[in-house]
Amino acid sequence: QVQLVQSGGELKKPGASVKISCKASGYSFTTYGINWVRQAPGQGLEWMGWMPFYNGYTNYPQKFRGRITMTADTSTNTAYMELRGLTSDDTAVYYCARAVGIGLDHWGQGTLVTVSS
Amino acid sequence: EIVLTQSPGTLSLSPGERATLSCRTSQRINRSYLMWYQQRPGQAPRLLIYGASNRATGTPDRFSGSGSGTDFTLTISSLEPEDFAVYFCQQYGDSTGTFGQGTKVEIK
Repeated sequence: QVQLVQSGGELKKPGASVKISCKASGYSFTTYGINWVRQAPGQGLEWMGWMPFYNGYTNYPQKFRGRITMTADTSTNTAYMELRGLTSDDTAVYYCARAVGIGLDHWGQGTLVTVSS
Repeated sequence: EIVLTQSPGTLSLSPGERATLSCRTSQRINRSYLMWYQQRPGQAPRLLIYGASNRATGTPDRFSGSGSGTDFTLTISSLEPEDFAVYFCQQYGDSTGTFGQGTKVEIK
């Protein structure tokens, strides 16, 4: 079955970077893209970008450009999302999700990133 | 950037009642690019509807989606206990996957 397993929670200081992994199994990794979505405590969902593997392209919303990088290691079926220059506003649960066509049909379990001095 | 506005913010209903959730986009979008998700407390979101009206695998047929242009609707025909959750719409019409702020369906 399709599974996306994310790395564990992180505690970071302001100004630091975080890199979260998302290991995929149960399907052909490069056939589908991976999106990243975050959710601040008690808040809604915020789309952070996506990586469709077929063209090596990444698409980030303007808000995150310059401090986000999405990569993947196809030898281990693992996607990564690195966010730099963390502030307390980046405290959130971060999700990876498989993109089938346009919809996000399978999600990781989420990774809590806490930014605190 | 296309902004999605969901209404109402909270819907208080009883099991068995019909729920109607609205999602309005700030610009017209191709209905193929409109999705609905359900999120239960402590869980990751779950895709319910894609392309505005297509049920995802495993979505019960009491869930239906409709709409076009800038106005989209998710309808739950008869609420089951497990349907009390938060619902988000999402669009990809401008190549950014923005979400609405969510509608909470709570037990009255």
